[in-house]
Amino acid sequence: TQLLEQSPQFLSIQEGENLTVYCNSSSVFSSLQWYRQEPGEGPVLLVTVVTGGEVKKLKRLTFQFGDARKDSSLHITAAQPGDTGLYLCAGVSFASWGKLQFGAGTQVVVTP
Amino acid sequence: NAGVMQNPRHLVRRRGQEARLRCSPMKGHSHVYWYRQLPEEGLKFMVYLQKENIIDESGMPKERFSAEFPKEGPSILRIQQVVRGDSAAYFCASSPGTVPGVEQFFGPGTRLTVL
Repeated sequence: TQLLEQSPQFLSIQEGENLTVYCNSSSVFSSLQWYRQEPGEGPVLLVTVVTGGEVKKLKRLTFQFGDARKDSSLHITAAQPGDTGLYLCAGVSFASWGKLQFGAGTQVVVTP
Repeated sequence: NAGVMQNPRHLVRRRGQEARLRCSPMKGHSHVYWYRQLPEEGLKFMVYLQKENIIDESGMPKERFSAEFPKEGPSILRIQQVVRGDSAAYFCASSPGTVPGVEQFFGPGTRLTVL
């Protein structure tokens, strides 16, 4: 059983469309990180959110941390084929500093 | 500024042999973490180390697995008497600390195949 549940598991969209990936838990986290992983490579950090209710924008990507620090979302505007990849959310609990607990990931495919 | 380095990138071992995976953290980072990604599964925490200390090994299998981060040199994840179920991608990450919001940066991983 995953502590962090990601949805959907798989998302296929056309270039130019928008998409949202969700990361939910019943646990509270001190911080939450989003990564993107390409096949055969390690996860690449996209963003870290720390404050409940926080919203961070990185170009076409918008990240939100829930007020209760139990959930997060990643929204991509006008997706491009280069956004294709496995998106992973990972949380750090107050009880286990340094230990990232990952969701199972959302595979995003953006076709031209 | 080089990122996290891992070697080898690919490692093939026969059942019963030993596997040694190495990780050099980013410059200035003194905290190292090991994670395992089994086929069709998510990343799972294994162990968290600082120089010469194991801080959290709650994710390490009780037998055959050990990790160290010596005063000098890379961190080593050692798997003795490997079995086919050990086949996975092993990732190392590093950070400068663990206060809330401190980010972990991952290496490219070592793909272990046990024949």
